[in-house]
Amino acid sequence: AQSVTQPDIHITVSEGASLELRCNYSYGATPYLFWYVQSPGQGLQLLLKYFSGDTLVQGIKGFEAEFKRSQSSFNLRKPSVHWSDAAEYFCAGLEYGNKLVFGAGTILRVKS
Amino acid sequence: NAGVTQTPKFRILKIGQSMTLQCAQDMNHNYMYWYRQDPGMGLKLIYYSVGAGITDKGEVPNGYNVSRSTTEDFPLRLELAAPSQTSVYFCASSYAGTVVPDTQYFGPGTRLTVL
Repeated sequence: AQSVTQPDIHITVSEGASLELRCNYSYGATPYLFWYVQSPGQGLQLLLKYFSGDTLVQGIKGFEAEFKRSQSSFNLRKPSVHWSDAAEYFCAGLEYGNKLVFGAGTILRVKS
Repeated sequence: NAGVTQTPKFRILKIGQSMTLQCAQDMNHNYMYWYRQDPGMGLKLIYYSVGAGITDKGEVPNGYNVSRSTTEDFPLRLELAAPSQTSVYFCASSYAGTVVPDTQYFGPGTRLTVL
């Protein structure tokens, strides 16, 4: 079965610092991969998605992610974090039947 | 467009009670989904539907039932509530065509506590 792993449960960064959230997947074929963000008490909002083509994907709010097949990774990055980026971030992969498989999530804390 | 709407936002149930979580979408999406979210576990798929009249089990279907009589609505039924069903429930929808699947859009969630 496909799986998505987010190795970091919590990450704390200072405001203005760069950010990288890790995501690893186990899919046989070309995966469809997503990053969602969840602010406290809210639903999930799509940040970006990878279906095919360019391995560097741009998303909303200044986020980007790079698909690396050799490392089975789809890490999320942002060059300069703002306090409003504090949230929980989920990586997900699409499996057969258009069903999403989610990682456990990474909680981002931003220090001022 | 309202997108995906869910009611209620919060609910407290006693053990053994039943309830229905409502979900509606106005985007004419064919696929609809129910997930539950537990701390540190991500989201797990409960049931999904590929169109009106067609539903299928996800990863954690026990204790739940669904129906899909219209394209717009996808209610989730809890028949005999148990403490293990305390969770946040999210409904989602997407349009899946024949080539590349589309994004899943999520509702705001229902926070359910079973005491």
